[in-house]
Amino acid sequence: AQKVTQAQTEISVVEKEDVTLDCVYETRDTTYYLFWYKQPPSGELVFLIRRNSFDEQNEISGRYSWNFQKSTSSFNFTITASQVVDSAVYFCALTKYTGANSKLTFGKGITLSVRP
Amino acid sequence: NAGVTQTPKFRILKIGQSMTLQCTQDMNHNYMYWYRQDPGMGLKLIYYSVGAGITDKGEVPNGYNVSRSTTEDFPLRLELAAPSQTSVYFCASSYDTGRETQYFGPGTRLLVL
Repeated sequence: AQKVTQAQTEISVVEKEDVTLDCVYETRDTTYYLFWYKQPPSGELVFLIRRNSFDEQNEISGRYSWNFQKSTSSFNFTITASQVVDSAVYFCALTKYTGANSKLTFGKGITLSVRP
Repeated sequence: NAGVTQTPKFRILKIGQSMTLQCTQDMNHNYMYWYRQDPGMGLKLIYYSVGAGITDKGEVPNGYNVSRSTTEDFPLRLELAAPSQTSVYFCASSYDTGRETQYFGPGTRLLVL
């Protein structure tokens, strides 16, 4: 069975602080994909990143960076110089590489509040 | 492209009533999904479809039904609404399952009183 744990439920920071959102996963599959989604106050789910289990290189996109470590089964998300617009709920998710039964398993989400 | 669209955005139902949540995607995706989101609980899969005419249960299918007659549409039917079905419902689609990214609709907020 797959499981995604986002132990932090709520994080509050002041604008321009760096913040890291943790994601720990469990899976018996050797090949899998990990995702991060953002849910702003407006409610829609916005795709941020997809990472496959073959590639452990860190990824940076502007102020966002992701650290994937298979050894610790973690896929952490860092926002550098946070802004008020980053306030949202962030979900980490996991799926098998392929196959009809490979469905997304979501964590419970982390609510990030960025104060001006 | 509109992506994934859902209607209605918000609905209040009385206990025992029925309704259909509509979902349409214009990306020619084979796979479509219905999730429900309860506060602090993440998203849970209700039903999914791997193509027209093929559907299967997810983690929490009780009280719901689906059909997939076309590639574009994947309606979710609630029969005999119950307060436990108060939730936000998201439809999503992807080209393939597994490795492909799922793209979500804006959600439908349902309140059962």
